Amino acid sequence: NAGVTQTPKFQVLKTGQSMTLQCAQDMNHEYMSWYRQDPGMGLRLIHYSVGAGITDQGEVPNGYNVSRSTTEDFPLRLLSAAPSQTSVYFCASSHLLGASYNEQFFGPGTRLTVL
Amino acid sequence: DQQVKQNSPSLSVQEGRISILNCDYTNSMFDYFLWYKKYPAEGPTFLISISSIKDKNEDGRFTVFLNKSAKHLSLHIVPSQPGDSAVYFCAAAGNTPLVFGKGTRLSVIA
Repeated sequence: NAGVTQTPKFQVLKTGQSMTLQCAQDMNHEYMSWYRQDPGMGLRLIHYSVGAGITDQGEVPNGYNVSRSTTEDFPLRLLSAAPSQTSVYFCASSHLLGASYNEQFFGPGTRLTVL
Repeated sequence: DQQVKQNSPSLSVQEGRISILNCDYTNSMFDYFLWYKKYPAEGPTFLISISSIKDKNEDGRFTVFLNKSAKHLSLHIVPSQPGDSAVYFCAAAGNTPLVFGKGTRLSVIA
């Protein structure tokens, strides 16, 4: 199993540009989520999904869109990048039920810089 | 308003001694608590968890204690090893998605 994969690893954008951060998992997890990590702020939830076709907002959703057309993929779209979106982005997944509920597997992260 | 608080941004411990990382929460609806470990340039990895029906869970050198009345949990690492040097995040879940604390950077000095 590759686990949770994220692409790209690094990205530099100019203000106003758009882009999509890719996330895929091969563990058949129902739950997928996106976090951003900023210095001194911990991990903050952007959006999450409990299954294909179902998404919901987390703590900091503004400026981001998501969709979940398949169980495996959960892309994060930045509509018009702003310097405040400079951060490290992590995708995570887990089962929704059972003993391993909430034990999320994280991808390696995407480091995004917006100039 | 922070629902999960890790009030110590950093902690230094000598190799072989005990490391104690603390976490406080405010939401009484939280019923499951987890600790994650994060090395630089990597994603967080799950370390250990505890349900609110327990007050202790042990896994090798790692033990998590939960005090529901005080809304406090702690992670004990005994004995601490240099490879334990990382950022540790406390997380809580209940009727909401996981909420993370800001993390504590642990340095284990040889």
